[in-house]
Amino acid sequence: AQRVTQPEKLLSVFKGAPVELKCNYSYSGSPELFWYVQYSRQRLQLLLRHISRESIKGFTADLNKGETSFHLKKPFAQEEDSAMYYCALVYNAGNNRKLIWGLGTSLAVNP
Amino acid sequence: DVKVTQSSRYLVKRTGEKVFLECVQDMDHENMFWYRQDPGLGLRLIYFSYDVKMKEKGDIPEGYSVSREKKERFSLILESASTNQTSMYLCASSLRLKGNQPQHFGDGTRLSIL
Repeated sequence: AQRVTQPEKLLSVFKGAPVELKCNYSYSGSPELFWYVQYSRQRLQLLLRHISRESIKGFTADLNKGETSFHLKKPFAQEEDSAMYYCALVYNAGNNRKLIWGLGTSLAVNP
Repeated sequence: DVKVTQSSRYLVKRTGEKVFLECVQDMDHENMFWYRQDPGLGLRLIYFSYDVKMKEKGDIPEGYSVSREKKERFSLILESASTNQTSMYLCASSLRLKGNQPQHFGDGTRLSIL
């Protein structure tokens, strides 16, 4: 069955330190992967998608099909990066496409 | 910019009441979704809709129903509210899922059932 695993519920780093939020997926087909972010008291919003290969707010994520991972990375964390991060997978289910969410990782960046 | 509007940010209701949560989007999106968000459980899909008058059950539909009479509006109904339905409810919309169409979320409704 398709699955998205974010192994860390909580990740705490110091400002300026590198940060990596892990996301592993289970899907035999060609995956489409997203990272969403929810800052305190704000709506959940798209951070980045794998097909765009873009860097948003200093974050990047590379799809590694061999390791079935889509880890989110930033070389120097900032306090404003503190938020809840969700990894999501879109997959083919018959004639439909479905989306499945990880349980989320809460990132705390300490001064 | 896509705007997804949920009718209430906070709502307090009593056990047994029928509760309506409303969601409106302004970008002519075909797909609309209702989730509940609970600590440690992430986002769980309640119902979704691919088109007007069309609905499909998500992962946790029990105790809920939905209505999509117009393309822009997707309502979540708690037929007889119970305390275990106290949660944050998120509405989202997207273009029909082809390629990388992201979901756009509302601010959420924090519902408390007493």
